[in-house]
Amino acid sequence: EAQVTQNPRYLITVTGKKLTVTCSQNMNHEYMSWYRQDPGLGLRQIYYSMNVEVTDKGDVPEGYKVSRKEKRNFPLILESPSPNQTSLYFCASSLTVNTEAFFGQGTRLTVV
Amino acid sequence: GQQLNQSPQSMFIQEGEDVSMNCTSSSIFNTWLWYKQEPGEGPVLLIALYKAGELTSNGRLTAQFGITRKDSFLNISASIPSDVGIYFCAGSRPKYGNKLVFGAGTILRVKS
Repeated sequence: EAQVTQNPRYLITVTGKKLTVTCSQNMNHEYMSWYRQDPGLGLRQIYYSMNVEVTDKGDVPEGYKVSRKEKRNFPLILESPSPNQTSLYFCASSLTVNTEAFFGQGTRLTVV
Repeated sequence: GQQLNQSPQSMFIQEGEDVSMNCTSSSIFNTWLWYKQEPGEGPVLLIALYKAGELTSNGRLTAQFGITRKDSFLNISASIPSDVGIYFCAGSRPKYGNKLVFGAGTILRVKS
């Protein structure tokens, strides 16, 4: 079954404690991206990757890092989380930059 | 800020009514996508539009790619309780590398 898998689904952490949210897709897609969803703001892109070892900033990259060492995985790293990073995060993958994006189920992160 | 204006922000309608929502922008788009997000899930694609003027249906859903390439609408006919969710438009703009940008979403609630 074609899918995008994120882990964990829920996470509560403290300010400053490094964390990683994993994302994996099994569709051999080249393009992957991370979004955060906040009420009234829709989905805002954090980082994206056009292919292995090719990543770039989206619209709200501050406080986040990503890596793309393999085609299927695209982890999101928060080196020093802060409360304003409390949000619902989605990983997505697609064949190309502007074709249908398949989304994971989301990770609800709370930073206290 | 939002590059896509999606309206209305929310709708609370009677079961059986038709629903209409739209997205507009000052930029030209070459792709329009409409997604639905149910509680606790990631967005799922409903309809994809790739050509100006294109009108596409998916069951009770109909979407159109505006002729000016700056807008799109989604109609839902004869709404049912399971139509409840958040509907997002997304578009790609050639001027910005064809990356997808999302509207803020329309929250749909249905009274049965």
